[in-house]
Amino acid sequence: GAVVSQHPSWVICKSGTSVKIECRSLDFQATTMFWYRQFPKQSLMLMATSNEGSKATYEQGVEKDKFLINHASLTLSTLTVTSAHPEDSSFYICSARSQGAGKFTEAFFGQGTRLTVV
Amino acid sequence: AQSVTQPDIHITVSEGASLELRCNYSYGATPYLFWYVQSPGQGLQLLLKYFSGDTLVQGIKGFEAEFKRSQSSFNLRKPSVHWSDAAEYFCAGGSQGNLIFGKGTKLSVKP
Repeated sequence: GAVVSQHPSWVICKSGTSVKIECRSLDFQATTMFWYRQFPKQSLMLMATSNEGSKATYEQGVEKDKFLINHASLTLSTLTVTSAHPEDSSFYICSARSQGAGKFTEAFFGQGTRLTVV
Repeated sequence: AQSVTQPDIHITVSEGASLELRCNYSYGATPYLFWYVQSPGQGLQLLLKYFSGDTLVQGIKGFEAEFKRSQSSFNLRKPSVHWSDAAEYFCAGGSQGNLIFGKGTKLSVKP
């Protein structure tokens, strides 16, 4: 399958600082990327969907000013957690999908980023 | 509302025994269905997927799943579990690419 690389794998930051997480599709062009958040021992919750070159669509309850998503190219999307607080500590996972016209294509997942805010 | 339900939070099986993990979905139309496996601290690995056609789907690592429309189910099975199969398993469904995940089933394997 296609490869999605997420960086960094883990990060520790101080409260009040911002952290950027990168999601790259290495061998395909990702027209759409998804960002998920996973709380300990819980399932993945979709945070936002981003299409290359347009603004991300956020799920209800997700603060778009806090979780900034940029999808400037067909191979890179970034999630920036601004003014991070301990409650933002979580496992963030991205997935990337290329889509043929009118056909659903599966999404491939990155390995995830463990964010710890202290 | 669309939903994916995994009724079992935690299952323990003996190595070599058979396994079935349950997944039920609720969608207006036939969804695309997936099973993923997640090891601790890792991302998700796709085990298998169902888009259409044959309702019995073969995946990697000896897993299979059967789509049963009448029961709105997509249960994951493996005839003989290995210790390395211990992980968290997620069923997911979607119709437009963004996936709705079940809460996951943690599989423990005892010697």
